[in-house]
Amino acid sequence: IQMTQSPSSLSASVGDKVTITCRASQTISSYLNWYQKKPGKAPNLLIYGASSLQSGVPSRFSGSGSGTDFTLTISSLQPEDFATYYCQQTYSALEGTFGQGTKLEIK
Amino acid sequence: QVQLVESGGGLVKPGGSLRLSCAASGFSFSDYSMSWIRQAPGKGLECVSYITSSGSTTHYADSVKGRFTVSRDNAKNSLYLQMNSLRVEDTAVYYCATTIGAPGTGALDVWGQGTTVTVSS
Repeated sequence: IQMTQSPSSLSASVGDKVTITCRASQTISSYLNWYQKKPGKAPNLLIYGASSLQSGVPSRFSGSGSGTDFTLTISSLQPEDFATYYCQQTYSALEGTFGQGTKLEIK
Repeated sequence: QVQLVESGGGLVKPGGSLRLSCAASGFSFSDYSMSWIRQAPGKGLECVSYITSSGSTTHYADSVKGRFTVSRDNAKNSLYLQMNSLRVEDTAVYYCATTIGAPGTGALDVWGQGTTVTVSS
């Protein structure tokens, strides 16, 4: 299963609403997760099961979608949100394929 | 608290071998499948290997199949990744990770801090 994210990079300002999309090469139901990755740190799970917010993650993060098309939305960007975001499918848990990542930069 | 700690990374020449370890604590290790994820410099995340809780089923990315072997010792709460015939392109930070708080989803909610593997002559 191939995962394709868009855009690859994105420039935005504090307070902006941002949407990142992820498309699967075949249906994956709701087995889609989103992670935030900062340099020198391990990835941090934000959303699991396409739309469930991981404990401790701010509510400005939300996820939606099912089947092949998914989105991660950050409702109002905060300075600490500038990072790289990855989607991951776990429909085929053995593979656990990640998207190529979306780098969110400060405008 | 729930914790994963990787070790064993280092500098190795192409064609060499290395064994990574991941020590688990704070949860019932034998009940959970485990994954090895890597990130090469300037690249994205790649799921390298997966092993079920009993160790009976394993999976490898095509890029490492036939060269890497994942195993676990549930009595020692430890996960391993034996890496043979290493290539320059295996240079990466290697993480072990598991799913604890989101059962049935496969979402990786517990990660180690990572260990760096550098393959260079």
